Amino acid sequence: DGGITQSPKYLFRKEGQNVTLSCEQNLNHDAMYWYRQDPGQGLRLIYYSQIVNDFQKGDIAEGYSVSREKKESFPLTVTSAQKNPTAFYLCASTDNGGVYTEAFFGQGTRLTVV
Amino acid sequence: AQSVSQHNHHVILSEAASLELGCNYSYGGTVNLFWYVQYPGQHLQLLLKYFSGDPLVKGIKGFEAEFIKSKFSFNLRKPSVQWSDTAEYFCAVNAPLYNTDKLIFGTGTRLQVFP
Repeated sequence: DGGITQSPKYLFRKEGQNVTLSCEQNLNHDAMYWYRQDPGQGLRLIYYSQIVNDFQKGDIAEGYSVSREKKESFPLTVTSAQKNPTAFYLCASTDNGGVYTEAFFGQGTRLTVV
Repeated sequence: AQSVSQHNHHVILSEAASLELGCNYSYGGTVNLFWYVQYPGQHLQLLLKYFSGDPLVKGIKGFEAEFIKSKFSFNLRKPSVQWSDTAEYFCAVNAPLYNTDKLIFGTGTRLQVFP
């Protein structure tokens, strides 16, 4: 089945540590996105990438980093610089490098800082 | 600043009641509009979308939405809700004039349907 796989589903991190969230898609989509979902705030865009080896900051990129070395993979690193990292993180992808068609979402990773 | 607003944060209905969830956006020019739904424990999935043409769009599970350009609105409707419609609903906008690559989401509306 084609889709987006995020792992792990739950992640716990100690304060001061970096942690990397995985996102893999087998839809052959050009564009991939990372969103953060907080209660009452909807989805906010962290980073996005239209093609391999290129990515752009979204609205809340501070404290995060990404890479796009392969078309199917777009990992997100939550660094120790992120002031409030506890949240639900969603990865998405779209075809043709744009959002004119349906965006497909993974099941999310819930990150908790302990 | 450009934004997407969902004014209903939490809606509680009984089964068979009618539903209308508001969505307003502040982008000028051409917009592509979406409603996504997130059922408990599941990933976000597309309910319906509008790109052009008939402003009344029909989606899955009996949902529909109407694009009213003069009101900058894209409200979601369902004539008779079911318990299984309990979920969180997100309106999203792509505004090519402003941000070609981005999909901007509203804050979401939590719908609870009681039998």
